[in-house]
Amino acid sequence: EAGVTQFPSHSVIEKGQTVTLRCDPISGHDNLYWYRRVMGKEIKFLLHFVKESKQDESGMPNNRFLAERTGGTYSTLKVQPAELEDSGVYFCASSQVLRAGEQFFGPGTRLTVL
Amino acid sequence: RKEVEQDPGPFNVPEGATVAFNCTYSNSASQSFFWYRQDCRKEPKLLMSVYSSGNEDGRFTAQLNRASQYISLLIRDSKLSDSATYLCVVNPPGAGSYQLTFGKGTKLSVIP
Repeated sequence: EAGVTQFPSHSVIEKGQTVTLRCDPISGHDNLYWYRRVMGKEIKFLLHFVKESKQDESGMPNNRFLAERTGGTYSTLKVQPAELEDSGVYFCASSQVLRAGEQFFGPGTRLTVL
Repeated sequence: RKEVEQDPGPFNVPEGATVAFNCTYSNSASQSFFWYRQDCRKEPKLLMSVYSSGNEDGRFTAQLNRASQYISLLIRDSKLSDSATYLCVVNPPGAGSYQLTFGKGTKLSVIP
């Protein structure tokens, strides 16, 4: 069974540019999450989808971040315009509805904003 | 006060040793508890869930003390392959939300 996949694995952009990250969850997992790890800090929650609906977006830092999950399959996270403090590793995770706390993480996208 | 606190280590132990990690959490209404493992520059992977009665999976034993708000992980007979960062993870209360709150992790190095 394929795990959670993320694209790209690395992205280097300049301040002010736009970047879109993609996540493909494990097939059949209705729950999809985005997390971020900034250097030297712990992994922080960004938001949670149940199918195509945003269940919890309390961790989104500001309105420069937009997450979508059209059709309830893959998800995208767009940062526009990117700022220096957005640099970090963005992880996507997915889980089954009945075992929502047991989340499977993708390999992450390492974002560097110069 | 951080929501989940862990000793960052590193813990350097010889093969075959027993090692224990603790973590504390601040929200007494937290619902679920986990230990995740993260290898260098990799994604976190679920090691085990932590139940109130305590649970064991091979060489790994997890305990939860709700009164003191701490969680422990015991690794017996350490292997070189156990070298990793161990993340204490809590699911805080919130209707319909399953966001995970992570500690910064405890680094373990098992030495030959």
